[in-house]
Amino acid sequence: AQTVTQSQPEMSVQEAETVTLSCTYDTSESNYYLFWYKQPPSRQMILVIRQEAYKQQNATENRFSVNFQKAAKSFSLKISDSQLGDTAMYFCAFMPYNNDMRFGAGTRLTVKP
Amino acid sequence: KAGVTQTPRYLIKTRGQQVTLSCSPISGHRSVSWYQQTPGQGLQFLFEYFSETQRNKGNFPGRFSGRQFSNSRSEMNVSTLELGDSALYLCASSLAGGTSLAGELFFGEGSRLTVL
Repeated sequence: AQTVTQSQPEMSVQEAETVTLSCTYDTSESNYYLFWYKQPPSRQMILVIRQEAYKQQNATENRFSVNFQKAAKSFSLKISDSQLGDTAMYFCAFMPYNNDMRFGAGTRLTVKP
Repeated sequence: KAGVTQTPRYLIKTRGQQVTLSCSPISGHRSVSWYQQTPGQGLQFLFEYFSETQRNKGNFPGRFSGRQFSNSRSEMNVSTLELGDSALYLCASSLAGGTSLAGELFFGEGSRLTVL
């Protein structure tokens, strides 16, 4: 079975600080995608960052970056210079090629002023 | 470019009734996926349609069904509603595999179903 585990149900961070959200996954596939999605309160889910498993270089999108450790099946998200608008549920997701996307249980992040 | 549109946004039903939810994907997207989101179970995959064919299916009972039309719009139906079906139902569209953009899902705002 392919599972995604987010071990931190809730986290908080001070504005302008850095926070790292953890994610591990379990799969026997060698080709897949990994994603972090953000779901702000009462708003739709949007993609934060994506990583293709065959790429060794960690993906970066402005203040968001990942630490992808394929052998360890780990995919953490680092948010630098946290902003109040980063407050949201963050979901880690795994998707083998041509298959459905599986999500972790989510981490509720609160950015405090 | 318009995003993924889901209707209705909110609805209340009673046990035993049936419900149909609609999803219009982003123009050009041929794949539509459905997810059920609940506080206890998180996001669970229901099914995915591509070119009017169900391509993948999650582990839900047969009361949950869906279809996709030639214009890529999709509907999902839940028959004989149970209290446990109360959830946010999310639709997501994507380009089909084989491109560098493959895999990214674009979500709608969801249809919140309450079963009384």
